[in-house]
Amino acid sequence: QQQVKQSPQSLIVQKGGISIINCAYENTAFDYFPWYQQFPGKGPALLIAIRPDVSEKKEGRFTISFNKSAKQFSLHIMDSQPGDSATYFCAATDWGISSGSARQLTFGSGTQLTVLP
Amino acid sequence: GAGVSQSPSNKVTEKGKDVELRCDPISGHTALYWYRQSLGQGLEFLIYFQGNSAPDKSGLPSDRFSAERTGGSVSTLTIQRTQQEDSAVYLCASSLGGSGVKREQYFGPGTRLTVT
Repeated sequence: QQQVKQSPQSLIVQKGGISIINCAYENTAFDYFPWYQQFPGKGPALLIAIRPDVSEKKEGRFTISFNKSAKQFSLHIMDSQPGDSATYFCAATDWGISSGSARQLTFGSGTQLTVLP
Repeated sequence: GAGVSQSPSNKVTEKGKDVELRCDPISGHTALYWYRQSLGQGLEFLIYFQGNSAPDKSGLPSDRFSAERTGGSVSTLTIQRTQQEDSAVYLCASSLGGSGVKREQYFGPGTRLTVT
């Protein structure tokens, strides 16, 4: 069962444009939603994360919008640059009461972003 | 400070052989996670460790896969009798753990395993 659905699979944007990637989740126990950026041959790098008690979080050119009632969240990349060309993954997790740590991340399927110069 | 490190970076093995993959988490991180990334399956959870608690092995695909964490730090993922479908990038991540505030998981560069 795919618990986090991500779209689109690929995205091409002109330099300076806005890139928007969407995710939807099913498990209402999820309470932490990070986005990761991955370049070829590298491990995923944490970009930005949000908790469901806020509807938006902004860090530089990157913004997460969160809609708890719809169980959806999205990543917006403003003023997209060629250096942003990478694969982006949304993810979700919940808290493990017995372990006292965040449980494993459930990932979306990824979006390959290409920013044209 | 140093990030998560993994070794080897690449491993080519013959079908049926056993392999060991190593992960050194960020110093002071008590939670350690193993994931697998393959073209057909995306990023999949395998196992995670938190301090001295019993590991969550719910993501291990078969009993050929096992992992241990010695001294609450370094972890080794072992795959016995490797199969071609085990070919993937194996990623390790660590997290501060022990607190409801810090949830960030930081990934290593991965080990690319190729089974011939």
